[in-house]
Amino acid sequence: GENVEQHPSTLSVQEGDSAVIKCTYSDSASNYFPWYKQELGKGPQLIIDIRSNVGEKKDQRIAVTLNKTAKHFSLHITETQPEDSAVYFCAASPIGTDKLIFGTGTRLQVFP
Amino acid sequence: AAGVIQSPRHLIKEKRETATLKCYPIPRHDTVYWYQQGPGQDPQFLISFYEKMQSDKGSIPDRFSAQQFSDYHSELNMSSLELGDSALYFCASSLVVSQETQYFGPGTRLLVL
Repeated sequence: GENVEQHPSTLSVQEGDSAVIKCTYSDSASNYFPWYKQELGKGPQLIIDIRSNVGEKKDQRIAVTLNKTAKHFSLHITETQPEDSAVYFCAASPIGTDKLIFGTGTRLQVFP
Repeated sequence: AAGVIQSPRHLIKEKRETATLKCYPIPRHDTVYWYQQGPGQDPQFLISFYEKMQSDKGSIPDRFSAQQFSDYHSELNMSSLELGDSALYFCASSLVVSQETQYFGPGTRLLVL
């Protein structure tokens, strides 16, 4: 079945620096890749997503890149702020299914 | 904007008891998904419904069942609760089944004693 690996598990950056989180998926048929931000005690919040017909997508300080050949995708956050501190999950959706297969999460801490 | 509503937000049960979790999707969304998230873990897909029919199934125990009603809300029924069922249970909804954006609710925290 589909498996998603996510690195790093924790990431600490200074305010204003950039943060990069990387994920690798196993099922080459997967074609939808969302990223979620989860704050303590809350549900996952979609921050950006990308489909396999696109190599890169950007929304203000957040960007996602997808390399289908290598089966990996990355989240880039620029000009980080303390309110970016949360757990970030990548996910992949195998074609023909409804499910999201989540990575193991990255705890991002942004220090003022 | 309206979001996914889940109730109750917190639930405490004893072993072997039964629990029912409710999910109200975003208005006009016709697909509902259930996920279980253990402490410090990633969400695991349980089951999904589209237009009141089960559309996909994941690692949902036989002790659990779910359904979607005519108003598109969904209920997850959990019987013979075990200590290991203690987790956050999230409902998500989307407009069209299969690889459309899933919007998550705030979750129900279930504690089994």
